[in-house]
Amino acid sequence: AQTVTQSQPEMSVQEAETVTLSCTYDTSESDYYLFWYKQPPSRQMILVIRQEAYKQQNATENRFSVNFQKAAKSFSLKISDSQLGDAAMYFCAYRSESGTYKYIFGTGTRLKVLA
Amino acid sequence: NAGVTQTPKFQVLKTGQSMTLQCAQDMNHEYMSWYRQDPGMGLRLIHYSVGAGITDQGEVPNGYNVSRSTTEDFPLRLLSAAPSQTSVYFCASSYLGQGPGQPQHFGDGTRLSIL
Repeated sequence: AQTVTQSQPEMSVQEAETVTLSCTYDTSESDYYLFWYKQPPSRQMILVIRQEAYKQQNATENRFSVNFQKAAKSFSLKISDSQLGDAAMYFCAYRSESGTYKYIFGTGTRLKVLA
Repeated sequence: NAGVTQTPKFQVLKTGQSMTLQCAQDMNHEYMSWYRQDPGMGLRLIHYSVGAGITDQGEVPNGYNVSRSTTEDFPLRLLSAAPSQTSVYFCASSYLGQGPGQPQHFGDGTRLSIL
């Protein structure tokens, strides 16, 4: 069975600085997608960025980028120029592309942004 | 475009009562799922469906029942509420199949308390 691990329950970053959130996963599949979701205090789940496993190029979305290491099964999220509005829970998620299409989520990292 | 609509937003039940959490989406998504979110445990998959008439269990299905009679609706039934089912429940939906990674669209969540 696939698993997703986020080993940092909480992280802090100074406003305008850069922070990296870690995510590792375990799978025997070769075809899958990875996602980072943000959950602010409003409780909404907001897609931050996605990565196709078959693409070697790391995905980027404005100030958000990932470091995808397929062999190491690592998928970290880098937030540059951190802003107060980035404060939230961040969840890493895995989606199988074979058979079940199940999404598996990590336990989340709470990011605090210090002014 | 309403997206994913969950009702109710809040509910208090007594132990042993039953109830149904409603979820509807208007995006013609094949995939629908229910999660529960508990502190420190991330989002755990309860049940999911890849199309009308097809459902399957996730990580924590005990005490919950689902059905998918239409593409749009995916209700979650608590058969006999227990305090351990106190949680925030999210419904989500997405397209299936290959192509650009299809992120899930989430409802706003239901906060359920069992006394």
